[in-house]
Amino acid sequence: GAVVSQHPSRVICKSGTSVKIECRSLDFQATTMFWYRQFPKKSLMLMATSNEGSKATYEQGVEKDKFLINHASLTLSTLTVTSAHPEDSSFYICSARDFRTTEAFFGQGTRLTVV
Amino acid sequence: DAKTTQPNSMESNEEEPVHLPCNHSTISGTDYIHWYRQLPSQGPEYVIHGLTSNVNNRMASLAIAEDRKSSTLILHRATLRDAAVYYCILQNSGSARQLTFGSGTQLTVLP
Repeated sequence: GAVVSQHPSRVICKSGTSVKIECRSLDFQATTMFWYRQFPKKSLMLMATSNEGSKATYEQGVEKDKFLINHASLTLSTLTVTSAHPEDSSFYICSARDFRTTEAFFGQGTRLTVV
Repeated sequence: DAKTTQPNSMESNEEEPVHLPCNHSTISGTDYIHWYRQLPSQGPEYVIHGLTSNVNNRMASLAIAEDRKSSTLILHRATLRDAAVYYCILQNSGSARQLTFGSGTQLTVLP
């Protein structure tokens, strides 16, 4: 099946620094990618929808200046958590939709810990 | 997207079948029923999906009620590796929108 690669799988950073998470679709083109956040014992919550070549659409309550999303190519979207704080510690998951079939595939997730 | 209702948790014994129910009474005629599962510290994994007819694949079977207001994911022989949160999600045919996750069912498999 289609593969979505997310990197890094886990990262620890200091408060105030920025962290970039990459999401790549390896064998299909994804005009749309989605970024989710998941807190312990909770379900996935959509943060934003990333469309290739245009600005991302953020869900209500998600700060666009804090969570920068770039989708510069049909196979790569990045999420940058800027000026990270401990409350940003979470599991971040990307999803890519194959534009031919509209099927959604998920990355392995990134465990972010801000200390 | 229409809402789904699943039990919070279920238990099964290893090597026995597991039936995971999902209610979706407000499903529309063009909504597909998708099942994903999430193992600890991993992204969701596609399991199966269907529209009206029952579906089988190497991972599971999907039984869809005749009125489509409910469905059941069937794992024929549960293994310890099947312990995960199972999500039942509806999505309109051809939709490019995101998948909306409910709370899912935490499946525990007992050895």
